[in-house]
Amino acid sequence: DGGITQSPKYLFRKEGQNVTLSCEQNLNHDAMYWYRQDPGQGLRLIYYSQIVNDFQKGDIAEGYSVSREKKESFPLTVTSAQKNPTAFYLCASSTSENTEAFFGQGTRLTVV
Amino acid sequence: QKEVEQNSGPLSVPEGAIASLNCTYSDRGSQSFFWYRQYSGKSPELIMFIYSNGDKEDGRFTAQLNKASQYVSLLIRDSQPSDSATYLCAVNLQDTGGFKTIFGAGTRLFVKA
Repeated sequence: DGGITQSPKYLFRKEGQNVTLSCEQNLNHDAMYWYRQDPGQGLRLIYYSQIVNDFQKGDIAEGYSVSREKKESFPLTVTSAQKNPTAFYLCASSTSENTEAFFGQGTRLTVV
Repeated sequence: QKEVEQNSGPLSVPEGAIASLNCTYSDRGSQSFFWYRQYSGKSPELIMFIYSNGDKEDGRFTAQLNKASQYVSLLIRDSQPSDSATYLCAVNLQDTGGFKTIFGAGTRLFVKA
């Protein structure tokens, strides 16, 4: 089945540690996105990528890093520089730059 | 000014009524407009997209776009309790790196049985 897979579904991290969230898609989509959602809030764009080996900062990129070495994969690293990392993280992809986005199931990150 | 604004609600309507959800956006260069539904704890799912001025209907859902007023709306006819969710308005904006999709904060809808 085609789709977007995020793993893990739940993730716990100690303060001061980096953690990487996985996002894989087999939809042959060019564009991929990472969003953060806090309780009762909308989605805020962290990073996005339109093609392999290229990505752009979104509105809240500080404390995060990404890579796009393969079309299918767009991992997000939450670094220790991110002050409030506890949130629901959503990965999405789309066929081209100006079409609808399809979402993975999300990763809920908790800092303990 | 936020790029995409929605009334956070909650909006409460009785079963069978029409629910009207509204959204305004600030960038006149926006080209594509989307409505997503998100149930609590789940990821958003696309309901409607609209690119041109006017109305677009799909079953019980109608999206309306007015680019001159920078306004997008979603009407849900014959509302059902299963429609209770948060509805997110999204807009594609052109940026230096290409297009990016920006979301509003969402409107919570409650449909009372």
